[in-house]
Amino acid sequence: DAGVTQSPTHLIKTRGQQVTLRCSPISGHKSVSWYQQVLGQGPQFIFQYYEKEERGRGNFPDRFSARQFPNYSSELNVNALLLGDSALYLCASSLETQYFGPGTRLLVL
Amino acid sequence: QQQVKQSPQSLIVQKGGISIINCAYENTAFDYFPWYQQFPGKGPALLIAIRPDVSEKKEGRFTISFNKSAKQFSLHIMDSQPGDSATYFCAASMTDSWGKLQFGAGTQVVVTP
Repeated sequence: DAGVTQSPTHLIKTRGQQVTLRCSPISGHKSVSWYQQVLGQGPQFIFQYYEKEERGRGNFPDRFSARQFPNYSSELNVNALLLGDSALYLCASSLETQYFGPGTRLLVL
Repeated sequence: QQQVKQSPQSLIVQKGGISIINCAYENTAFDYFPWYQQFPGKGPALLIAIRPDVSEKKEGRFTISFNKSAKQFSLHIMDSQPGDSATYFCAASMTDSWGKLQFGAGTQVVVTP
C-alpha cells in the first residue's frame, strides 16, 4: 500500500512569494495534519483537516492556510514568504495513529 | 511554550548498549504518547505508542515506560545497533484533539560500532 505522499520534494522561493504544498493521505484515511519542522527541532502543528473541515489550528499567522478536497488530499498555502518559513513541511494522515509523509523541504531566499 | 520536554539532546551509545530517552509533560489531558524515529531527509516514522492505562509496553527491542503520577515517560532501546542511529521524538496528544501532536525537541542517538 502507498504511504503518505507529498509534492514537491524540494522547493526554493524568494521572500514575498507564495507557495502551495500538496499531500495525498493513505487510502481510507480521512484526516490530514500539517506540521512545520525547523532544522534541529521537533515538528510544530499547523493544521488538521478531517472530512474537509478544519478541526485544529496551531499558533501560526494567517499567512498559512490549508484546505482538504473530496478525495481527502490536502494543500497547504503560505503567502508572503519570510526567511523564517524555511523548513521541512510534513503531512500526516491518520485514522487514529498519525503516519507521516517524507515532507517538502522549503528554502526561502 | 513547549508542552513536552525531552532529554537528553544527544546520546552516544556503544553497539549492544541501552539507549534511554526521557520525556515529561504538563497537560494531564494528554492520553496518547507515541515515539517517532526520524532519519535525515525523511519524515518521522512511528516506533511505538502507549496510553496512560498501562505502565509499560514492549515491542521488540523498544520499550516505553510510563509514570502517570510523575507525568513522565521514557523510551528504552535495548541491544542498540548502528542502524538505530537517528533522531527520536516523543510526542503527546489528547482524545478531543487527536490530530494535533505536541512533539518534544528530539534526541539525536549515535550508536558506535
